[in-house]
Formats: sequence, structure tokens, C-alpha cells
Amino acid sequence: GAVVSQHPSWVICKSGTSVKIECRSLDFQATTMFWYRQFPKQSLMLMATSNEGSKATYEQGVEKDKFLINHASLTLSTLTVTSAHPEDSSFYICSARGLWGGSNYGYTFGSGTRLTVV
Amino acid sequence: DAKTTQPPSMDCAEGRAANLPCNHSTISGNEYVYWYRQIHSQGPQYIIHGLKNNETNEMASLIITEDRKSSTLILPHATLRDTAVYYCIVRDSGYALNFGKGTSLLVTP
Repeated sequence: GAVVSQHPSWVICKSGTSVKIECRSLDFQATTMFWYRQFPKQSLMLMATSNEGSKATYEQGVEKDKFLINHASLTLSTLTVTSAHPEDSSFYICSARGLWGGSNYGYTFGSGTRLTVV
Repeated sequence: DAKTTQPPSMDCAEGRAANLPCNHSTISGNEYVYWYRQIHSQGPQYIIHGLKNNETNEMASLIITEDRKSSTLILPHATLRDTAVYYCIVRDSGYALNFGKGTSLLVTP
């Protein structure tokens, strides 16, 4: 149980275009979803937190107009990287917080999306 | 949220127990200790978490000291597939997990 599906697993796009990444919780309802990015040889950095039906909260230094987050349902959140540039190339990972089989809240991570902007 | 300190790297022989320490001396009463691991180019994988008591599951054991200022993750019989970066995170449930640098564990044949 507690599976999060993230896709695409990798994507290459041209500079200036937009890319959408999907994150779905398959067998539980995710009250809150989180988006991270990870540069090579570095740890995960939190980008934003989103609750279903409300606007995302972005971490300091993350441009909300560039990284659009939509959390329209309890099982789906999307991250759109708009007008992508080579410096946006990174590993993007989503996480979903929800009840695991009862009263225990847990955090499950997607498998990540490798974005390369050329 | 409380800060954690982990050794940057550790080695372990295959088949032996891997004991990964974590210091969290500023932990508060309602903060949980979470352990995740990340194998190269994959999303973090949940291992175990606890509040006060020691915990065990099919993957590992978590030993939390009585004062809760430190903990140890134990992989009882390490395999080559356990080579990964292990993250100890202290967080109040309901908020995002903030990742530090973790411990890079290398399991050798």
C-alpha cells in the first residue's frame, strides 16, 4: 500500500517550452503533497507544499509563476515548469502525505522525474 | 524543526548488521524520527519512523534513546542492495520532511 506514481520518469524539452509532471497517490488520499528538486550530488530541496483545493505554499527563493502547482483532487498534484531554461534541469520528486491503513500518517515519495532542458 | 547530525559515510560488510547513528539533541516532544533512504536516481524510500519507543518492521529496527536526543537505524543483515544514502529526519507530523545530507552507506561483498 501507500504508492505514489510520478510521471514522466524523464523528459527532455527545448528551452522556452513548458513541462508538466504528474504525481498520483494510487491507494490512499493525499491531504497534502510536496514537491522537491534535487541537483546532482545534493540533497532534496523542498520547493512547495500544496493542500487539495488551495493554493500552494512556496519555499523562499522558488518562483511561483515559474513552477505552477495544481492540487485539484486528493489523489493528483501536478507541477508545471513554465518557460524552462537549462538551469531548471534537475531531478523533481513529489511526496504525498496521507493515512496509511488506518490512523498512521506517512509520507510516500514518487520515483522522480529527470528533466533536461536543452 | 529539529536539526539532525549524521556521519557523511559508512561502510558495512555484506551480511553484517549496519548501524546508522543520528543525533537530534533539539528534538521536541511531538516530533517524530523518520528514516528514509535514496538509491541513486530514485525517489526516497520509507524505512521506519518512531516517536518514543523502539520500532521494528520487515526492513529495519529503530532504536531511540530514552532522552530522544539520538537514534540508531539498524539493518540487521545488510545486502549489496542496501547501498544508498540514508536520511534521518525529525519532524512534526503534518509538515514537509526536510532532508539533510544523510549518510552514504556502502555495503561491500
